[in-house]
Order: sequence, then structure tokens, then C-alpha cells
Amino acid sequence: SQTIHQWPATLVQPVGSPLSLECTVEGTSNPNLYWYRQAAGRGLQLLFYSVGIGQISSEVPQNLSASRPQDRQFILSSKKLLLSDSGFYLCAWSVKAVDTIYFGEGSWLTVV
Amino acid sequence: DQQVKQNSPSLSVQEGRISILNCDYTNSMFDYFLWYKKYPAEGPTFLISISSIKDKNEDGRFTVFLNKSAKHLSLHIVPSQPGDSAVYFCAASEYQGGKLIFGQGTELSVKP
Repeated sequence: SQTIHQWPATLVQPVGSPLSLECTVEGTSNPNLYWYRQAAGRGLQLLFYSVGIGQISSEVPQNLSASRPQDRQFILSSKKLLLSDSGFYLCAWSVKAVDTIYFGEGSWLTVV
Repeated sequence: DQQVKQNSPSLSVQEGRISILNCDYTNSMFDYFLWYKKYPAEGPTFLISISSIKDKNEDGRFTVFLNKSAKHLSLHIVPSQPGDSAVYFCAASEYQGGKLIFGQGTELSVKP
């Protein structure tokens, strides 16, 4: 069966520090991969979308970047965090040509 | 531009009654619609979906209705149970396997 893992689960980072959130999917190959963010009082916002290794689509201009160095690995990064980057970050995957998307457990980021 | 909108941030229902959660969209290219349920500090889990060739899909206590002409979908939960208390997100995509655009979510509270 397929599983998705993302880490760390929680982190508190100072403003201006770097960020790296990692996500891996097991049990499937060539998935679509996603990074979403849920900010306080807001819905799920799509940040990045990837259909293959090295192929990243950015949905909103922001302080973050994403990379897909391997087929089932998706990394969310920032060189310098802002207070507004605080939120709940979710990695997700889907099988191509299937509509259902499956989410990881999420990572709580608090920028102080 | 919010392509998927859930205009009710919260809904309170008595146990055993029907819960109706609504969702509107603006992009006429959307062809697949899904509902997700999210508990605090967890990733969303898939609930039910519907494609544009149908106007109704039922799964146990959950039924999703789609009105393409009105660009409106709704989720009915009958009978509502306290364990249904969660945030519900509707989502849409233009094709199977395409990126999902989420609404802001509606927090459902089912009272005993």
C-alpha cells in the first residue's frame, strides 16, 4: 500500500533562518506531488505542484521554493523565513489520471 | 481570485439531523469535485468525489450533489454524528489527476 511521510512534524524557527521540509511517498511510482499550506483562518492554498523529477510549478509568488530531486521525494525550502510563512504545511500525492489526492500528516511551522 | 468558495465558515447541527455543506466555483473548466474532511493538526482525508457527468454521488451517509449550471455543489451528511465534527473542504480540478484547488473550508460542529 502507498504511504506518505513528511517531517519534521513541528518546528519553531526565527525570522531570517532557513527552512527545509521533506516529504517522501512509498508504494507508488511517478506520482504527482504537491505542497499546500493552511494559514490561520484560511483554507488550503496550493503552493507547488510537480508532475515529475525536476518539474515544479509555483502557484503563488512567495518566499518559498520546492525541489524534486528524486521521483518520490519533494522538498519545501526557504533561504530566509518571514513571520508570514507560519502555518500548517501539507505534502500530498496523487496517481496520474486519478482525481483523489492523499495528504501527509502535516508540519506545523511557527516563525518567531 | 478565489475559484472555489465555501461561504459559510462554520455550521452547527444537532446529532441525527442533516448537515448540508455548500461550495461554489467560478471556473467552468472544472470537471472533478471532491470533499475532504480535516481534523485539527492532521492532514485532510478524502471523503467523496463526483465528476461533471453526474449530478449525484452517494456513499453511505454522505451524498454529494452537483449543479453545473449554477456552478454549485453540496455535501449532505445524514444522519449527522458527533464524530463528523471537523473542517470540510471542497476541491475542484479541470481533469483527472490535475491540481486541486480548495475552498476555504467549513467547520462543522455536530452537537449531541
